[in-house]
Amino acid sequence: AQSVTQLGSHVSVSEGALVLLRCNYSSSVPPYLFWYVQYPNQGLQLLLKYTTGATLVKGINGFEAEFKKSETSFHLTKPSAHMSDAAEYFCAVRNYGGSQGNLIFGKGTKLSVKP
Amino acid sequence: KAGVTQTPRYLIKTRGQQVTLSCSPISGHRSVSWYQQTPGQGLQFLFEYFSETQRNKGNFPGRFSGRQFSNSRSEMNVSTLELGDSALYLCASSIGQATLNTDTQYFGPGTRLTVL
Repeated sequence: AQSVTQLGSHVSVSEGALVLLRCNYSSSVPPYLFWYVQYPNQGLQLLLKYTTGATLVKGINGFEAEFKKSETSFHLTKPSAHMSDAAEYFCAVRNYGGSQGNLIFGKGTKLSVKP
Repeated sequence: KAGVTQTPRYLIKTRGQQVTLSCSPISGHRSVSWYQQTPGQGLQFLFEYFSETQRNKGNFPGRFSGRQFSNSRSEMNVSTLELGDSALYLCASSIGQATLNTDTQYFGPGTRLTVL
């Protein structure tokens, strides 16, 4: 069975600082991994995804994530935070059938950016 | 190309009532999945429809139901509303059946349901 753990329900950084949001997964099959972002009162927007191939994945808005199989991690990073990055971020792993559905999400990490 | 649309965006109902939410997928997408999002439980899968058939179902009571039309639009219905049904309901569409492939799921803005 697949599962996702996001370390830190709330992360605060200063504008211009490095953003690091942590995600660890558990999967009995090669995982497909996703990061979504949710702005207040909006739906989820796909930031990036890993399926196969290159382990460093680049996404929108300057974000990237690296798949590390040995660490079962898929951490999200951005070199320099911007005020507009303040949102909630969800890591997800593809599930194949079952009552948990197609995507299993972590609990989310709220990112605050201080001026 | 237009994104996933959900109507209405906001709803207020009272306990015992029923409600119907609508989701229009991206043109050409045939799969629609529904999720419930609450502060306590996070994002939980409700069900997936593909080609007008329910393909997968989450652990929700029978009060939660859905359907999909021939144009891939989907509706979900919640009967006998309870206070705990207050949540953001999100739908997501993808080209193929979500449980069988790696197509990206695109989410709508959600319907915020408040049950009083």
